[in-house]
Amino acid sequence: AQRVTQPEKLLSVFKGAPVELKCNYSYSGSPELFWYVQYSRQRLQLLLRHISRESIKGFTADLNKGETSFHLKKPFAQEEDSAMYYCALSPTETDKLIFGTGTRLQVFP
Amino acid sequence: DTGVSQDPRHKITKRGQNVTFRCDPISEHNRLYWYRQTLGQGPEFLTYFQNEAQLEKSRLLSDRFSAERPKGSFSTLEIQRTEQGDSAMYLCASSLQGRRNEKLFFGSGTQLSVL
Repeated sequence: AQRVTQPEKLLSVFKGAPVELKCNYSYSGSPELFWYVQYSRQRLQLLLRHISRESIKGFTADLNKGETSFHLKKPFAQEEDSAMYYCALSPTETDKLIFGTGTRLQVFP
Repeated sequence: DTGVSQDPRHKITKRGQNVTFRCDPISEHNRLYWYRQTLGQGPEFLTYFQNEAQLEKSRLLSDRFSAERPKGSFSTLEIQRTEQGDSAMYLCASSLQGRRNEKLFFGSGTQLSVL
């Protein structure tokens, strides 16, 4: 079955602390992986995608096919990073996205 | 605002009634997606269009759900004989077909409450 698992519903850190939001996936082929973010009272928006290998707002994510993971990391969290983060997978044969249940990140001052 | 527009923002209906939602994508986007999101869950894929053609429909979507995009611009999602389990946020997204999985732009959603 194609599935995305985000084990943490809530992650709380203090400003300046490192952050890692976990994402594991279940898919037999070569998926495309994404992180989407929803800030308070804003729309869901793309944060980054693995094929771009880019850093957005200080966040990076590396696809680990051996561990079937795509964890999102940032070395120093900022208060404005507080949001809901969704990991998503797109199977090879389709353009739909399969989302995880999301992790709420709270960054305290 | 040139983003994805959804109407209405909120809809309260009684069980058994029909409801219709509208989505206006970003004007040059030829792909349009519908997702549904319930409390504590991530968005769940329902269906998507390329221009006016409906390319994929989730097996989870019952026959009470139908979506159209008649002229390849705006889309409507209709739910017939609503049930309490249909209560959710219905999200629309659009993208420009190019490379696979081009960035999706989401609307603000329509929150449906079935009493």
